[in-house]
Amino acid sequence: NAGVTQTPKFQVLKTGQSMTLQCAQDMNHNSMYWYRQDPGMGLRLIYYSASEGTTDKGEVPNGYNVSRLNKREFSLRLESAAPSQTSVYFCASSEQGHNSPLHFGNGTRLTVT
Amino acid sequence: AQSVTQLDSQVPVFEEAPVELRCNYSSSVSVYLFWYVQYPNQGLQLLLKYLSGSTLVESINGFEAEFNKSQTSFHLRKPSVHISDTAEYFCAVSERNQGGKLIFGQGTELSVKP
Repeated sequence: NAGVTQTPKFQVLKTGQSMTLQCAQDMNHNSMYWYRQDPGMGLRLIYYSASEGTTDKGEVPNGYNVSRLNKREFSLRLESAAPSQTSVYFCASSEQGHNSPLHFGNGTRLTVT
Repeated sequence: AQSVTQLDSQVPVFEEAPVELRCNYSSSVSVYLFWYVQYPNQGLQLLLKYLSGSTLVESINGFEAEFNKSQTSFHLRKPSVHISDTAEYFCAVSERNQGGKLIFGQGTELSVKP
């Protein structure tokens, strides 16, 4: 039982390049989330998907897009990477909304030069 | 909009000593409250939560937190810490009945020394 799986674990991009971070969960959860973690700022919500077929903006959505491909998968795309997007990105899922526990992946460490 | 403040960025403590990690929140509506723990190079894991009922909630590894509505606080305590408790701890809040997003505090790094 893998839980939440994120790929890749590490990535280095040049400014202006694009990439997609992949996330998959095998717990049959309805809700999925993307957070970024920066030193001294905790985790900030980028986008979330309350259920299959829906997505909503979080606190810091600018520069990102998401796709809820199916119930299992929720991807995060950076269309034109900027140094300010250097961060650790976490995907999470929960059974139903934010009052049920979030299960996190192990993160993707992204550096934009 | 809700916000969360963790008052200490780092808390060093000796093994077997008590510890308190402080968390205050602001919100105009009723909230759910959570503590998550992050061990090095891992994602976050739920430590404990307050949804309703008793204001004192406990985790399986000896941590407890008390919801204080009048002081808008949800401080995390443990009477005797172990080396293995060394980690970063995050307080988080979501607003009830709002389809609320989970907002995290800045984190407190707990360092337990022998």
